[in-house]
Amino acid sequence: GAGVSQTPSNKVTEKGKYVELRCDPISGHTALYWYRQSLGQGPEFLIYFQGTGAADDSGLPNDRFFAVRPEGSVSTLKIQRTERGDSAVYLCASSLIALGDTEAFFGQGTRLTVV
Amino acid sequence: AQSVTQLDSQVPVFEEAPVELRCNYSSSVSVYLFWYVQYPNQGLQLLLKYLSGSTLVKGINGFEAEFNKSQTSFHLRKPSVHISDTAEYFCAVSDMEGAQKLVFGQGTRLTINP
Repeated sequence: GAGVSQTPSNKVTEKGKYVELRCDPISGHTALYWYRQSLGQGPEFLIYFQGTGAADDSGLPNDRFFAVRPEGSVSTLKIQRTERGDSAVYLCASSLIALGDTEAFFGQGTRLTVV
Repeated sequence: AQSVTQLDSQVPVFEEAPVELRCNYSSSVSVYLFWYVQYPNQGLQLLLKYLSGSTLVKGINGFEAEFNKSQTSFHLRKPSVHISDTAEYFCAVSDMEGAQKLVFGQGTRLTINP
């Protein structure tokens, strides 16, 4: 596709349920990032993939959050036992190689609402 | 670790007026600096970035920013704004020494009034 695609665009789930958020990066981009943006805040880093491996997962808030990128392309962010505090816009970005040398392109995000 | 402070959460200006959005950062290592814009119902888009070299960086849509190392600032400017510049603007940094992540400020909402 032409840009980073995230699905679904909106997700409403009940507290305690499991959710999966999908990110399709730009074709050929080896680096992929997940961020979380709460209302009125800037995006906060969650995890960075270089290829298939999670090179930095220091931003994941707790063990209910997990992300995979099994084939080095599509990534899925998984949240178990969702809590109301998980409500936010989840952003995905990809870049050709490393951040300092090339631009990171962002998707439009998935707005997650936990009720 | 890095942190970014955007000093103004909201900036209202009249059309064709100049604008400056302020950004200060804190870091123990050298950093790359970025400004992103988020138009209503759209994803983040890169306006400009400073990696090295000239401290005055020109970006898209007539925006420019100046890196001031002594003041640890990277303020964004435009000499004459348009209604279409209404958006949320985010300043961000990443360190040069391997951490491949952006640290964002809280954002500045720029509102252009006719």
